[in-house]
Order: sequence, then C-alpha cells, then structure tokens
Amino acid sequence: DIQMTQSPSSLSASVGDRVTITCRASQNIDNYLNWYQQKPGKAPKLLIYAASSLQSGVPSRFSGTGSGTAFTLTLSSLQPEDFATYYCQQSYSPPLTFGLGTKLDIK
Amino acid sequence: QVQLQGSGPGLVKPSETLSVTCTVSDGSISTYYWSWIRQPPGKGLEWIGHIFYTGSADYNPSLRSRVTMSVDTSKNQFSLSLSSVTAADTAFYYCARRRARAGVNWFDSWGQGTLVTVSS
Repeated sequence: DIQMTQSPSSLSASVGDRVTITCRASQNIDNYLNWYQQKPGKAPKLLIYAASSLQSGVPSRFSGTGSGTAFTLTLSSLQPEDFATYYCQQSYSPPLTFGLGTKLDIK
Repeated sequence: QVQLQGSGPGLVKPSETLSVTCTVSDGSISTYYWSWIRQPPGKGLEWIGHIFYTGSADYNPSLRSRVTMSVDTSKNQFSLSLSSVTAADTAFYYCARRRARAGVNWFDSWGQGTLVTVSS
C-alpha cells in the first residue's frame, strides 16, 4: 500500500495567516493526489483534485501544488471557517489511501 | 447537485454482519463508481471499496474477505455488508461518489455518515 504522510499533524494559526500543509507519498504518485477538509461532525469535503485543480465552489484562497512524492496545500489568508482537519488522499494505486490528517486550529 | 443519504442500524453485535445503504438522489446511479469509506471516531479515513452500477466492485485487500457491495439501480441505492464484525469495525461509514479524469479519481460528493457501533 502507498503510505501518505502529512505534516504537521496539528497547526495553530490566526485569521489572515498564510498556511501550508505538506503531504508525502511513499512512492511516486504523479499528480494522483486530492485534498479534503473535514469539520467536526461532518463528512469530508473535496477541495483540490489532481494535485492542483480547484473543486467547483471552493474559494480561490485554497491552492495545491506538487507532483511525484511531495505535495502541498496552501491557504493564502485564513478565514474563520477554515479551521478544520485536512486530509490528503492518493488514487495512483489501490487501495486508495489517506494521510492521517492535519488539524488546523485557532491560535 | 447529487445528494447521498446513508442509512443503517446504529448497533451491531460482535460476529454479526453490518449492513448500510446509501440512497442517491438528484442524479442517476447508473454513472460513476460509488464508494464506501469509514472513519473510527476521532481517527483517520479508510477506503473500503467501490462499485459500478453494473455490479463490478473492487475492495480494499485488508477487508476483502469480509466485504460485499451491491447496487440496486431501480432504487438508486448501493449497499455495503461487512461480516464477522468486531469492536474495531466501530466507525462512521460514509458513502461517496467517485469521479475520475485521466486516471486520477476523487470523491466529490459524500453522504452525511452513518455511525455503526459494534457492541454486545
């Protein structure tokens, strides 16, 4: 199975901050990488697919980059509604696997 | 905008079979792959498998011996059965739609999650 490692596991930031979350794959996954946001008690929500494509309806302050084994999710200016847990997920090779998540909370 | 609604018993006894169903509305099930993903309370996400409307399915090898998925196109529903459950199977069970492009696939619509607790 392809292992997905996210860092940091938790992060404190303030409204207006720029935040970057990293996801590393245990082997090359090209651009087969997606990002999700999950708020407490809710289902995950797709933010970015294919490493850098913004899902329809997702604010442009979210962006994704990377290819191969290293990927980043950037939030350019944190808004109050962005405090949540973020997961990366690879679809290069089954079984599809997720990172363990990065919890973003308010400083 | 497609909507997914999961349903199922909230409590299952150890060694029995867990069954959950997802109803798809505002869209046909006869397109795309349909997936199940679970999340133990307070933990991460695990892909269980997916099924096409034809009935063709693919499962996570870690669960393959215990998982069966099915689809009912007349009801626009798909279902998950997980046999011989233990407390480790206690989780929120999410249904989701899988989209794909150029080999990349992602989950763009999710049900609300059905909590299934395994306990005697």
